[in-house]
Amino acid sequence: ETGVTQTPRHLVMGMTNKKSLKCEQHLGHNAMYWYKQSAKKPLELMFVYNFKEQTENNSVPSRFSPECPNSSHLFLHLHTLQPEDSALYLCASSPRTGGNNEQFFGPGTRLTVL
Amino acid sequence: QKEVEQNSGPLSVPEGAIASLNCTYSDRVSQSFFWYRQYSGKSPELIMSIYSNGDKEDGRFTAQLNKASQYVSLLIRDSQPSDSATYLCAVDSSASKIIFGSGTRLSIRP
Repeated sequence: ETGVTQTPRHLVMGMTNKKSLKCEQHLGHNAMYWYKQSAKKPLELMFVYNFKEQTENNSVPSRFSPECPNSSHLFLHLHTLQPEDSALYLCASSPRTGGNNEQFFGPGTRLTVL
Repeated sequence: QKEVEQNSGPLSVPEGAIASLNCTYSDRVSQSFFWYRQYSGKSPELIMSIYSNGDKEDGRFTAQLNKASQYVSLLIRDSQPSDSATYLCAVDSSASKIIFGSGTRLSIRP
């Protein structure tokens, strides 16, 4: 596998379910990101991890819980979601955080909350 | 004021012509600028990065940066139908994170 991979690619869940999104990068990067992309809205940064440490939480509701066990893996744990949380969730990685660091995106998980 | 502004489009360009996409940003200390292409239903794909004033060319793509005027543009020469996509401008902010514009939808008509 190369680049940034995400699983699952599609997820349908009820409001009472608990699920997790997984992201893995094979680029040797040290920074990983979660973004949310809703229809007709710009990409919204959710969380940033740099060398496994969370450096940014962009006022994300607690029903989204990130986990970064190492620099190659990033999870987003979901529980008690709302229908308005339905969106494309994108993971990205870069060599480090900060400018001059190009971010590379995974294919995304299309989430639908019923 | 939005931090990164792009015309949402759609921008319609005939095949073979030059497509010009523009982006303005508000943070004067920004140093890194990126253009991503996003096809419908897909994730963003990095096309170009530019860090210095002036032009940077890569194949049919040219990025132009003017820090004094706080704008960055992307020119696509010899536009092809496969260039039809949404183009996202991204700028690093003083908070060491990258801010994305809402994107410009480009349509290349045969």
